[in-house]
Parts: sequence; C-alpha cells; structure tokens
Amino acid sequence: GQNIDQPTEMTATEGAIVQINCTYQTSGFNGLFWYQQHAGEAPTFLSYNVLDGLEEKGRFSSFLSRSKGYSYLLLKELQMKDSASYLCAVRDPGTGANNLFFGTGTRLTVIP
Amino acid sequence: DAGVTQSPTHLIKTRGQHVTLRCSPISGHKSVSWYQQVLGQGPQFIFQYYEKEERGRGNFPDRFSARQFPNYSSELNVNALLLGDSALYLCASRPDKNTEAFFGQGTRLTVV
Repeated sequence: GQNIDQPTEMTATEGAIVQINCTYQTSGFNGLFWYQQHAGEAPTFLSYNVLDGLEEKGRFSSFLSRSKGYSYLLLKELQMKDSASYLCAVRDPGTGANNLFFGTGTRLTVIP
Repeated sequence: DAGVTQSPTHLIKTRGQHVTLRCSPISGHKSVSWYQQVLGQGPQFIFQYYEKEERGRGNFPDRFSARQFPNYSSELNVNALLLGDSALYLCASRPDKNTEAFFGQGTRLTVV
C-alpha cells in the first residue's frame, strides 16, 4: 500500500524561505510529484522527481531521497500569493494505471 | 489553449439521487482520470480511462462508474448518493499514461 506524511499546516513570513517535508511509503516507487492548490481551485503541477537529488525551477525546488523515502519542497522569496495547500503525491502502481496517490496536503500561510 | 474543463462547477443533490459529472480533456490528451477530494484531504483516485478503456480503478463502491467517449471526453456517474459523497470531484488529463496530470477546476458536489 501507499502512505504519505506531510505537516498539516505551516506559517512563514513574506520574503523568507520555507521547506515543506514529505515522507512516503510505496510498494513500487515511480516518481514523486508536488502540486500547489489554492483554496477552491484545481491543483497545479509544480515539480516531478524520479531520481535522487535537487530539481530547481525558479523560486521552487524539490528534493528526493529514494533510500529514505523522503522529499521536500523549498520555496524561496516567499510571496503572499504562495499561500496555498501543497500536495505531495506518488505514483500508485496498485491501481494498475500509475495514477497519483496524494498526501493530505500542507496548508501554507504567508504573513507580511 | 483551453485547459481541462468540467461541468457543472457546482451541484446540489438530494440523498439517493443520481449525478453525472462531465470532463473535457486538453486537446490531444487521451488519458482522463477522476479524483474525489473531501474538504481538508488530498485528492483520492477513482478511475482512469485511456483510449476509451478503463485502465485503473480506486477503492470506491460500484455506485461510482465512468466512461470515456471517442472524443476523449469523460463522464463520472454516481448512483444512490450519500451525504459522504459531498466533495470536490476533479478531472485530470494527460497526453499519455506516464506524464504529469493537468487538473480541471472541479465540480463541487453537495449532497443534502
């Protein structure tokens, strides 16, 4: 089966850096995704990691360690618009279609 | 380019009724997946269709069914609605089975 743990809520200050952690257990690893979801809106794709290491994309970076079952999303130069839920997800080979198994999400609040 | 479109955006149904939700994928995308997102939780996989065939099914009762049409649009049907079916229903499309998913805005279903 699959399991994902991530903090429920985090608060950070505008302009700062925040790291959102995700630990996972999966029967067959085939990639880890991060999505951003603003309240009442659709999740939007942020990053995909399948190999160990850091993937950088502008202000957002994502790290993966497959041996530790661990990933983090790093947000730099925080802006008020970054207030959202951040969803960690792994491919779920158990469904027969490699669809996504999501964690419950981390609700990030950026304060002035 | 139009993204994934879903209709209706909001819906209120009575317990025991039936509902049909619709999804049009991004042009050229052949894979459509359906997810249920209960408030405060991450999306949970329901179905995936690829090239009009069911390719994956999550842990949902038989009251839930879906289909994909020749133009790759899809419908999700839920029979005998329960209060617990109240959720945001998300549709996601992909160009093939192994790329990131692009989500629609969702249909907010309320069962009273």
